[in-house]
Amino acid sequence: QVQLVQSGAEVKKPGASVKVSCKASGYTFSRYGISWVRQAPGQGLEWMGWINPYNGNTNYAQKVQGRVTMTTDTSTSTANMELRSLTSDDTAVYYCARGSYYDSPFDYWGQGTLVTVSS
Amino acid sequence: DIQMTQSPSSLSASVGDRVTITCRASQTISNYLNWYLKKPGEAPKLLIYAASGLQSGVPSRFSGSGSGTDFTLTISSLQPEDFATYYCQQTFSSPLTFGGGTNVEIK
Repeated sequence: QVQLVQSGAEVKKPGASVKVSCKASGYTFSRYGISWVRQAPGQGLEWMGWINPYNGNTNYAQKVQGRVTMTTDTSTSTANMELRSLTSDDTAVYYCARGSYYDSPFDYWGQGTLVTVSS
Repeated sequence: DIQMTQSPSSLSASVGDRVTITCRASQTISNYLNWYLKKPGEAPKLLIYAASGLQSGVPSRFSGSGSGTDFTLTISSLQPEDFATYYCQQTFSSPLTFGGGTNVEIK
């Protein structure tokens, strides 16, 4: 069965960076894109961007462009999302989600990773 | 960016009720509209794709309709496990955007 398993919770100081991983199983990793979505406490869902594991192409939301880097490792079927220059506004649960293309629905999601930014 | 506006933002309903949630896009998005259910502490779950397609494994009491700018999610007979927050999402253009959510509570 398809599974996306994310790395554990992180606590970071303002200005630091965080890297969240998402290990896929149960399907051919290179055939489906991975999007990253976050939810701040009490807020709605926010799409951050998408990566195509087949060729590494990315599509980032302008809001995080310049601070985010999404990568994949096809040898381990793992997607990674690094966010730099963290502020308290980046405190959120971060999800990876599978979608064939960036405009495809997200049919499978990771369990979420809580990132807390606090001094 | 395309703004997605959901209404109502919250509603109270009883088991067995018919529930309708609407989602309006700030510009036409054809049928690039998906619906998700989210419960606290859980990942979102895809219910409806392409405005009216029922995702595999999702009960038939869920249905979606609409095209262009106006969309509807209907739950024909609300069940206890349906109390959650529902989000619409447009995938017509980047950045992909979600509605603000509709919280369905027990009356």
